[in-house]
Amino acid sequence: DQQVKQNSPSLSVQEGRISILNCDYTNSMFDYFLWYKKYPAEGPTFLISISSIKDKNEDGRFTVFLNKSAKHLSLHIVPSQPGDSAVYFCAASASGGSNYKLTFGKGTLLTVNP
Amino acid sequence: GAGVSQSPSNKVTEKGKDVELRCDPISGHTALYWYRQSLGQGLEFLIYFQGNSAPDKSGLPSDRFSAERTGGSVSTLTIQRTQQEDSAVYLCASSLLGLEFAEQFFGPGTRLTVL
Repeated sequence: DQQVKQNSPSLSVQEGRISILNCDYTNSMFDYFLWYKKYPAEGPTFLISISSIKDKNEDGRFTVFLNKSAKHLSLHIVPSQPGDSAVYFCAASASGGSNYKLTFGKGTLLTVNP
Repeated sequence: GAGVSQSPSNKVTEKGKDVELRCDPISGHTALYWYRQSLGQGLEFLIYFQGNSAPDKSGLPSDRFSAERTGGSVSTLTIQRTQQEDSAVYLCASSLLGLEFAEQFFGPGTRLTVL
């Protein structure tokens, strides 16, 4: 069973517009959420995170929103740039003895067109 | 500074053969993780090493998989009697501390193809 779901395999947006990537989770024990970005032939790189005590975290063009009641989070990229084209993974962890263990979604391929 | 490195970058093997995948973590990172990404799937946790503590092997899919970390640095993931379903990209990551807020830095991965 998939505990972290990214239901959109791909997303295409125009340069300068907003990109919104969505992620849903089922495990109510998850309390820390991360977004990773992955270019082809490279490992994922950390982008932004949010703790469950917050509902928003912003870092430059990237903002992550968390809706705990809906078990939903989203990543907003504004404005989108062609260099943002990559696969974006949502990940989650639960506090406790195995808090290092990240559970990943399948990823969303973002294409930003010039 | 140098990031996480993995070797080989690609490995093609025949079903039934054993393979060894290597990971060199970032110097000074005490925590090391192995994940795998099968086609069309997300990253799947395999194993976690933290300092001298016993590793968390809960993600290893079968007893054909094993991993060790020598001297608290380099790690080797071994798959015995490989099967076609083992074909995947195997990713290694390291972090300064094995905590949920410690950023995991990933290597480029080893693409394993079992024929």
